[in-house]
Amino acid sequence: ETGVTQTPRHLVMGMTNKKSLKCEQHLGHNAMYWYKQSAKKPLELMFVYSLEERVENNSVPSRFSPECPNSSHLFLHLHTLQPEDSALYLCASSQDRNQPQHFGDGTRLSIL
Amino acid sequence: GEDVEQSLFLSVREGDSSVINCTYTDSSSTYLYWYKQEPGAGLQLLTYIFSNMDMKQDQRLTVLLNKKDKHLSLRIADTQTGDSAIYFCAESADHTGFQKLVFGTGTRLLVSP
Repeated sequence: ETGVTQTPRHLVMGMTNKKSLKCEQHLGHNAMYWYKQSAKKPLELMFVYSLEERVENNSVPSRFSPECPNSSHLFLHLHTLQPEDSALYLCASSQDRNQPQHFGDGTRLSIL
Repeated sequence: GEDVEQSLFLSVREGDSSVINCTYTDSSSTYLYWYKQEPGAGLQLLTYIFSNMDMKQDQRLTVLLNKKDKHLSLRIADTQTGDSAIYFCAESADHTGFQKLVFGTGTRLLVSP
């Protein structure tokens, strides 16, 4: 496999469920990112990890909890989400935190 | 603050050239990017230009940067139906030790046969 892989591609969950999104990069990069893409809004940066250390938390509600166990994997743990959290969640990686970012295909999340 | 603006929609015929325009606000941006998003997919990095360059060409793609006017454009030569997608312009802003990308809302390119 190459590039940035996200699973699952689609997720439907109730507001009381707990689920996790997974991102894996096969590019040997040291920085990873979570973005939220909502309809008719610009991409919103959520979290940034560099060398497994979180360097940015862009005022994201605590119902979103990121985890970066190593430089190749990034998770987004979800709990008690709201309907307005329905969106496409994109993961990206870069060689380091000042290099171009490469994106995965995203997880389409729907909150019932 | 940082802001990136793009027109929402562009329609061209197959074989014509397409020009997608973008304006940005942060004069200290180091890099400016063009990404492509096809339906159901993530963002594909198309090309990027360093802020001290005026032009960059990569096969059918030509990027022009006017730093004075903070204007960036992407020209696609010989546009094909497979080029139909949403194109995002992004500026980079130095932010607490990492390069934060600020995206526009995207330009939807429709290529008709």
